[in-house]
Amino acid sequence: GQNIDQPTEMTATEGAIVQINCTYQTSGFNGLFWYQQHAGEAPTFLSYNVLDGLEEKGRFSSFLSRSKGYSYLLLKELQMKDSASYLCAVSSSGGYQKVTFGTGTKLQVIP
Amino acid sequence: EAGVTQFPSHSVIEKGQTVTLRCDPISGHDNLYWYRRVMGKEIKFLLHFVKESKQDESGMPNNRFLAERTGGTYSTLKVQPAELEDSGVYFCASSQVVATGELFFGEGSRLTVL
Repeated sequence: GQNIDQPTEMTATEGAIVQINCTYQTSGFNGLFWYQQHAGEAPTFLSYNVLDGLEEKGRFSSFLSRSKGYSYLLLKELQMKDSASYLCAVSSSGGYQKVTFGTGTKLQVIP
Repeated sequence: EAGVTQFPSHSVIEKGQTVTLRCDPISGHDNLYWYRRVMGKEIKFLLHFVKESKQDESGMPNNRFLAERTGGTYSTLKVQPAELEDSGVYFCASSQVVATGELFFGEGSRLTVL
């Protein structure tokens, strides 16, 4: 089976940096996604890590350690619009892509 | 380019009734997925189509749920008869590349069973 853990809620201040952690246990690991979901909207793709290390994309960075089953999403220079749920999802193999989601971390950015 | 579209956006039905949700994936995407999010829980995988074939339906809760994708384009998810615990948001997603493709999500169909 698969198990994905991430904090339920986090609060951070506008302009600050926040790190959202995700740990996972899975078989046949392909890669790890981070999605952003604003209330009532579709999840939107942020990043996809296949290899160990840090991937930077503007204000957002994502890190992966496959040996530790660990990833984090780093958000810099927080803006109020960053208030959303951040979903960690693991892609596993089986001849096709199967993506399993964690429960999501609800981030609230305060002034 | 049009994204993944889902219909209806919100459906309210009584226990025992039937509801059919529709998903139109991005044109050219062979992979189509159905997911469901029950209040307070994670987004859970229901099933995966590759073109018109069911690749994996291990997440389907029971035989009250039937998904089809005739012709390999749009897909429908029918719940018959609906139960209270079926309430939630049903997301559809599509992708082009099998192994590493980004999933593009629709905005979801919210189902409320009374």
